[in-house]
Amino acid sequence: DTEVTQTPKHLVMGMTNKKSLKCEQHMGHRAMYWYKQKAKKPPELMFVYSYEKLSINESVPSRFSPECPNSSLLNLHLHALQPEDSALYLCASSQDSGSGANVLTFGAGSRLTVL
Amino acid sequence: GQNIDQPTEMTATEGAIVQINCTYQTSGFNGLFWYQQHAGEAPTFLSYNVLDGLEEKGRFSSFLSRSKGYSYLLLKELQMKDSASYLCAATDSNYQLIWGAGTKLIIKP
Repeated sequence: DTEVTQTPKHLVMGMTNKKSLKCEQHMGHRAMYWYKQKAKKPPELMFVYSYEKLSINESVPSRFSPECPNSSLLNLHLHALQPEDSALYLCASSQDSGSGANVLTFGAGSRLTVL
Repeated sequence: GQNIDQPTEMTATEGAIVQINCTYQTSGFNGLFWYQQHAGEAPTFLSYNVLDGLEEKGRFSSFLSRSKGYSYLLLKELQMKDSASYLCAATDSNYQLIWGAGTKLIIKP
């Protein structure tokens, strides 16, 4: 299995809703990432988990809350989002996070619209 | 500061060759990646260079010059399906990826 699976593919939520994005990989990768991508912009790193521990939090607002239940799963909990948070949320994984040849395998993304 | 520069958009003809350039300035350097991203889809890995020189993979080749902080992606025998954005990304001294804004490549028949 060489895929990263993300659900849901599309999500529409109001500013008072609580929802979660889910990501799963079975490649034995020990690093997992959340990226946010706006149209015509590069991916913007949000969080990195290395060996199930949060290793990087790029000053992301607390309305985004990551969780890594085990080495194969990564969640992003969403609460009280703003319309400007509408974007494509990409999950990625890699062998580890501490090497140069760190090839990221991305999931297909969850397209989030906040009304 | 850290910076990656690449052209915003390029146009090429089906069957031709195109070269997409990328210059980078990072604090430390641990390699350079090229990713392809079709509209509305996730990026997919194309190539990785850490030493100077050319890496060839089928129709795609990637070149690196560390002394010049420069890389290019060469696409040969262009096909319509090559229409996509091409993202250059460099790994800094902390092994974090610094992304360029991407080059949108338009292929015309």
